[in-house]
Amino acid sequence: AQKVTQAQTEISVVEKEDVTLDCVYETRDTTYYLFWYKQPPSGELVFLIRRNSFDEQNEISGRYSWNFQKSTSSFNFTITASQVVDSAVYFCALSGVSGGYNKLIFGAGTRLAVHP
Amino acid sequence: EAGVVQSPRYKIIEKKQPVAFWCNPISGHNTLYWYRQNLGQGPELLIRYENEEAVDDSQLPKDRFSAERLKGVDSTLKIQPAELGDSAVYLCASSLGPGLYGYTFGSGTRLTVV
Repeated sequence: AQKVTQAQTEISVVEKEDVTLDCVYETRDTTYYLFWYKQPPSGELVFLIRRNSFDEQNEISGRYSWNFQKSTSSFNFTITASQVVDSAVYFCALSGVSGGYNKLIFGAGTRLAVHP
Repeated sequence: EAGVVQSPRYKIIEKKQPVAFWCNPISGHNTLYWYRQNLGQGPELLIRYENEEAVDDSQLPKDRFSAERLKGVDSTLKIQPAELGDSAVYLCASSLGPGLYGYTFGSGTRLTVV
């Protein structure tokens, strides 16, 4: 079975603080993809990143960075110098080869509140 | 380019009433998904279409839910009759094809059953 766990239900920080959102996944697939999505109050899911299981290089995009560690089945997301506009619910998701990569398995999400 | 368009944005109905949601995917996207997102949870796949064919409806509660995608473009998801537990956000997504093509999600329809 495939499962994604986001243990942090809610995080509250003050603007300019760094914040890390944790994601732990379970899968028996040897090939899979991991995703992060942002869901602002407007409701749509905004794609942030996709990482395949063979690529453990960390990635940085502006204030966002991602740390993929296969050994611990984790794919954590860090926002540096957080801003009020980062306030949203963030979802980690998994898509595996056993499902033809046709199905996203989402975690329960982490609600991030960034206060001025 | 217009994104995935869903309507209505919000819907409040009494239990046992029928309800329908509409989705217009991105032009040229052959694959269309319906996900349901319960409060405080991540979205869960209900059904996936390749063109007009429903290729994965294993998670769709077929006793009360139905979906169609005529001509392989717009799609409608229907619930009849609605139950209190159907209150959720129904998200539509589309992609160029199955697998690893990028998914684009709509803003969803928030259904409240009273």
